[in-house]
Amino acid sequence: AQTVTQSQPEMSVQEAETVTLSCTYDTSESDYYLFWYKQPPSRQMILVIRQEAYKQQNATENRFSVNFQKAAKSFSLKISDSQLGDAAMYFCAYRINSGNTPLVFGKGTRLSVIA
Amino acid sequence: DVKVTQSSRYLVKRTGEKVFLECVQDMDHENMFWYRQDPGLGLRLIYFSYDVKMKEKGDIPEGYSVSREKKERFSLILESASTNQTSMYLCASAYDTQYFGPGTRLTVL
Repeated sequence: AQTVTQSQPEMSVQEAETVTLSCTYDTSESDYYLFWYKQPPSRQMILVIRQEAYKQQNATENRFSVNFQKAAKSFSLKISDSQLGDAAMYFCAYRINSGNTPLVFGKGTRLSVIA
Repeated sequence: DVKVTQSSRYLVKRTGEKVFLECVQDMDHENMFWYRQDPGLGLRLIYFSYDVKMKEKGDIPEGYSVSREKKERFSLILESASTNQTSMYLCASAYDTQYFGPGTRLTVL
């Protein structure tokens, strides 16, 4: 069974600094997707970034980037120039490459941003 | 933009009541999902559906059922609500990437 592990229940970062959230996963599949979702206190889960396993290039979305290490089964999220609005729960998720398969989620990391 | 709506943001019900949670998406997605979210446990899949009238059990289907009569609507049903079903319920829809609704905070007294 696939599992996703987020080893940091809580993290904090100073405003304007950089923080990295860790995620590891376990799978025997070779073709899959990885995602980072953000859930602010308002509760709406928002997609931050996604990575296709067949792509070697790390995905980037503005201040958010990932470090995807396929052999190590690691998928960390880097947030640069942290802003107060980045404070949220962050969930790492995985699914195999089939549109109707559910996501497997990690338990989340709560990120606090200190002004 | 994808829009996924849920019928209520907050709901309070009594033990033994039948509860309906509705989810509607406007993107003609075939796949829809119901999760429950509890502190320290993350999101756990209850049921999902990949087509009208089709459903698949997730990791924790006990005590729940679902209905998908129309493509855009996926309902979660608690046949007889119990206090251990007090939780946050999140609906999602997908063609490829999952998009989530705002969630329903259900309290069962």
